[in-house]
Amino acid sequence: LAKTTQPISMDSYEGQEVNITCSHNNIATNDYITWYQQFPSQGPRFIIQGYKTKVTNEVASLFIPADRKSSTLSLPRVSLSDTAVYYCLVGFEGFQKLVFGTGTRLLVSP
Amino acid sequence: EAGVAQSPRYKIIEKRQSVAFWCNPISGHATLYWYQQILGQGPKLLIQFQNNGVVDDSQLPKDRFSAERLKGVDSTLKIQPAKLEDSAVYLCASSLSNEQYFGPGTRLTVT
Repeated sequence: LAKTTQPISMDSYEGQEVNITCSHNNIATNDYITWYQQFPSQGPRFIIQGYKTKVTNEVASLFIPADRKSSTLSLPRVSLSDTAVYYCLVGFEGFQKLVFGTGTRLLVSP
Repeated sequence: EAGVAQSPRYKIIEKRQSVAFWCNPISGHATLYWYQQILGQGPKLLIQFQNNGVVDDSQLPKDRFSAERLKGVDSTLKIQPAKLEDSAVYLCASSLSNEQYFGPGTRLTVT
């Protein structure tokens, strides 16, 4: 089964930009990457999704390099409330095989 | 709109007992997923339904786990008999396209 790995933890300060990387097997050109945020005792919450080089919404950006062996979630200006665990989800084989990453615990300090 | 509902929220059972979890997806969502999330790990897909057909159940331990989605709406996940290593949060999610909406999960403790 395909493996998807992330850094275990990251520390940041309020107002900084945070980039979290997800490493995976090289994915097909139409395979989606999705990022989720999870707080304790809650289900994951959708942040952003895409399959192209760059996707941006009101809260984050997603970057996928040309070799498609990784993807990066960028949070432009984090706040204390962004302290959570972040997971990438890779949809291999046209979203037929779903593999969550190992998760990155982000701690944002004042 | 109402989110994904799951029950119970918590369950404690002894090993070798049986347990069932229930999920009610968001209305109109054709795809339903069950995940197992062990403490400190990412969710692992157990089974994915498209309406009431199975898309992927390759990681479902079929000797003890079963799932059904009658009429393409609600779904139940059953474990029989439970083992200590089944202690985890069981998450249900539903989607209309590729964006999944998750329920709060059921925390199962097997003693």
